[in-house]
Amino acid sequence: EPEVTQTPSHQVTQMGQEVILRCVPISNHLYFYWYRQILGQKVEFLVSFYNNEISEKSEIFDDQFSVERPDGSNFTLKIRSTKLEDSAMYFCASSKEMNTEAFFGQGTRLTVV
Amino acid sequence: AQSVAQPEDQVNVAEGNPLTVKCTYSVSGNPYLFWYVQYPNRGLQFLLKYITGDNLVKGSYGFEAEFNKSQTSFHLKKPSALVSDSALYFCAVRGLSFQKLVFGTGTRLLVSP
Repeated sequence: EPEVTQTPSHQVTQMGQEVILRCVPISNHLYFYWYRQILGQKVEFLVSFYNNEISEKSEIFDDQFSVERPDGSNFTLKIRSTKLEDSAMYFCASSKEMNTEAFFGQGTRLTVV
Repeated sequence: AQSVAQPEDQVNVAEGNPLTVKCTYSVSGNPYLFWYVQYPNRGLQFLLKYITGDNLVKGSYGFEAEFNKSQTSFHLKKPSALVSDSALYFCAVRGLSFQKLVFGTGTRLLVSP
């Protein structure tokens, strides 16, 4: 069964450093998303991406964040200068169409120290 | 604005008994509703969705959910709980004009043997 894969599973970084979280969405999906879940809190939407551009983003997704689909398979989230409060589990997801369910990856646990 | 409420932090049920996990939502227009399950250290797994049609939708692992427009609810149900159903359950809603999913805070289901 096709699945969304994320790497790495766990990333530890120093405050102020740049991190790139990687995702390989399901191959025939057209919509891609990043969500995050701060420990003990609910899952929050960050950004959606369609047709090689951001289609929707939340207020969390400020200038520190960027997304890219550098080739036909990868979808990345970059945090330019990490802050302690960026520590969270980051989930990538993809969906075939806008109105269908999103499938989530296993997540990358980002720890900023 | 879209929102989801899951009024119970935890639901306890004995194996073999029916279970209900509650969810109410708020969205402009017709909602797209979803249930996801999260096992420890895992991503979010899609269980079922309501887009249109029958108010009772069936999903994976014997789960079903009933859409009630007048009560703006989408409660998750299962006729006979299994210990392996113990996990964190998230209800989510998407409005017609949006791509983002808005999640509830999650309900921990604990099924005792």
